[in-house]
Amino acid sequence: GAVVSQHPSRVICKSGTSVKIECRSLDFQATTMFWYRQFPKQSLMLMATSNEGSKATYEQGVEKDKFLINHASLTLSTLTVTSAHPEDSSFYICSARATGYSNQPQHFGDGTRLSIL
Amino acid sequence: SQQGEEDPQALSIQEGENATMNCSYKTSINNLQWYRQNSGRGLVHLILIRSNEREKHSGRLRVTLDTSKKSSSLLITASRAADTASYFCATGGNNRLAFGKGNQVVVIP
Repeated sequence: GAVVSQHPSRVICKSGTSVKIECRSLDFQATTMFWYRQFPKQSLMLMATSNEGSKATYEQGVEKDKFLINHASLTLSTLTVTSAHPEDSSFYICSARATGYSNQPQHFGDGTRLSIL
Repeated sequence: SQQGEEDPQALSIQEGENATMNCSYKTSINNLQWYRQNSGRGLVHLILIRSNEREKHSGRLRVTLDTSKKSSSLLITASRAADTASYFCATGGNNRLAFGKGNQVVVIP
């Protein structure tokens, strides 16, 4: 089945550090990838839609300069949390949809738990 | 507005029992999906039901959809300890998915 790899799985770092999270589709091409944020015991909130070769589309209230998204290839999207602060601590999850299969479900990575001290 | 808002529940059941959870949404949909999330992991797609379907089965899963009430239910029959997880419904097709609050299910061996 389709596999999405997300790395790293856990990050603990000091306030002010920038953190990059990678999302890779391992066995399919993904023109579109999605980034979600999840707080403990809460649902997933869509942060942005990552489009290969073009700018990401951010949801209302999500700072694009804070959460930089790059989707430079059909199998890789990255989310960089710039100058992270404790309030950015959360569980970040990416998903990908196979190119040309808009009716197929999204495939999710295993998430990255970000803890800012 | 967020779609796919299920009644937040925490179910604790014995292995072998059935688990039922509900989901309600606010606007018209083309389909509704259910996902499972094990603790600290990503989401696994379980089942998709289209707006013109009323019921769908997949193994031990049974999903119903009532578009007149804008609600859906997920039934897990003969639960197993491995079914312990959070379950989310989601609407929005495969573009901007909107997830509900989730139902935490604990199956006691």
